[in-house]
Amino acid sequence: GAGVSQSPSNKVTEKGKDVELRCDPISGHTALYWYRQRLGQGLEFLIYFQGNSAPDKSGLPSDRFSAERTGESVSTLTIQRTQQEDSAVYLCASSLARGQGADYEQYFGPGTRLTVT
Amino acid sequence: KQEVTQIPAALSVPEGENLVLNCSFTDSAIYNLQWFRQDPGKGLTSLLLIQSSQREQTSGRLNASLDKSSGRSTLYIAASQPGDSATYLCAVINRRALTFGSGTRLQVQP
Repeated sequence: GAGVSQSPSNKVTEKGKDVELRCDPISGHTALYWYRQRLGQGLEFLIYFQGNSAPDKSGLPSDRFSAERTGESVSTLTIQRTQQEDSAVYLCASSLARGQGADYEQYFGPGTRLTVT
Repeated sequence: KQEVTQIPAALSVPEGENLVLNCSFTDSAIYNLQWFRQDPGKGLTSLLLIQSSQREQTSGRLNASLDKSSGRSTLYIAASQPGDSATYLCAVINRRALTFGSGTRLQVQP
């Protein structure tokens, strides 16, 4: 079946512009996660959705970052007034998240490479 | 706050060698531990998931172990091949999201 998809694959934007990044999770996966990986650094957790609700937004780096999920499916990560330090690869993952154990295995999309000039 | 450490940071071995990658974590109250590989410019590929009640998982030439009480996991790669060259990431789940280590960059020389 189809995996996690993300669009665009690459985005170059000017400082101060807003950007939207999209994630389509695996069909039927109730949980969706956003992570960020800056060049040469590890992966940082940004936000997690269970269904359409975001019980954990603790990783969002500033109020310029927001995310929503609709229909327990697609999610959009929005960055307002982009800054150069926002340049990174933004990765989305999903998991079945029903029950226990292996249901929480996370499957990752290919990422969106964001470059802020 | 959960912290995940991976050693070594980088490793270069000749083809055919068996090797061990190490991962340690500070909070043993985890749900699962996942090992991933990341190829340059690409996303993450899940290799193995070990549930908190399990001690090891195997997939082909890969074997991952988990000692939750001591906060350690190892990834064993048998008979390494040049195609195994990648960055290997260890990640643990406490409540919801994964906490990642910084990875081990593996180069297998032909």
